[in-house]
Amino acid sequence: GDSVTQTEGPVTVSESESLIINCTYSATSIAYPNLFWYVRYPGEGLQLLLKVITAGQKGSSRGFEATYNKETTSFHLQKASVQESDSAVYYCALGDWGSNNRIFFGDGTQLVVKP
Amino acid sequence: AQTIHQWPVAEIKAVGSPLSLGCTIKGKSSPNLYWYWQATGGTLQQLFYSITVGQVESVVQLNLSASRPKDDQFILSTEKLLLSHSGFYLCAWSLSEQFFGPGTRLTVL
Repeated sequence: GDSVTQTEGPVTVSESESLIINCTYSATSIAYPNLFWYVRYPGEGLQLLLKVITAGQKGSSRGFEATYNKETTSFHLQKASVQESDSAVYYCALGDWGSNNRIFFGDGTQLVVKP
Repeated sequence: AQTIHQWPVAEIKAVGSPLSLGCTIKGKSSPNLYWYWQATGGTLQQLFYSITVGQVESVVQLNLSASRPKDDQFILSTEKLLLSHSGFYLCAWSLSEQFFGPGTRLTVL
């Protein structure tokens, strides 16, 4: 089926350290998968962090990067140097822009950045 | 600019009681609309989607129903709540990506 698996949280890192949150997907019924990272900061709503709709391309936003790798079916989220303000829950998602615009979410990874 | 509003912000209800959650989108005509649900500690799941007034498609069966009475309004409801309905409900609209509302926290006791 269609699904997303991501790093189980919470993930705790110290400020200025590097970060990687793994995400792999299965898109058996989606012809043209789109991949997303959403983020929910404390007390705020779910918002898009970055998206990539073409395999092989990289998306970036707020210092975060993710590359759509069709061979390994992965879309890992990386940041070279995290800040305390990056503490949030991060969701990897797989989109199907076919007939119903379905999105499949991972379980979310809580990131805690220690000062 | 488009805005998405959900009501109520939070609700505490008894098992067996009815429920109605609302969602309104302003600033976008004929949006695709979606309802999502996330149990505490669980995965965010799409429940319903609608691409036009009066038409709603069910994605996951949870003894809930949805209606789209107006172009900018999406309603989630049930006549009898179950304990398993507790969780966080999100409404969203989409272009090439989905934009989410602030959500409603539902606790069923």
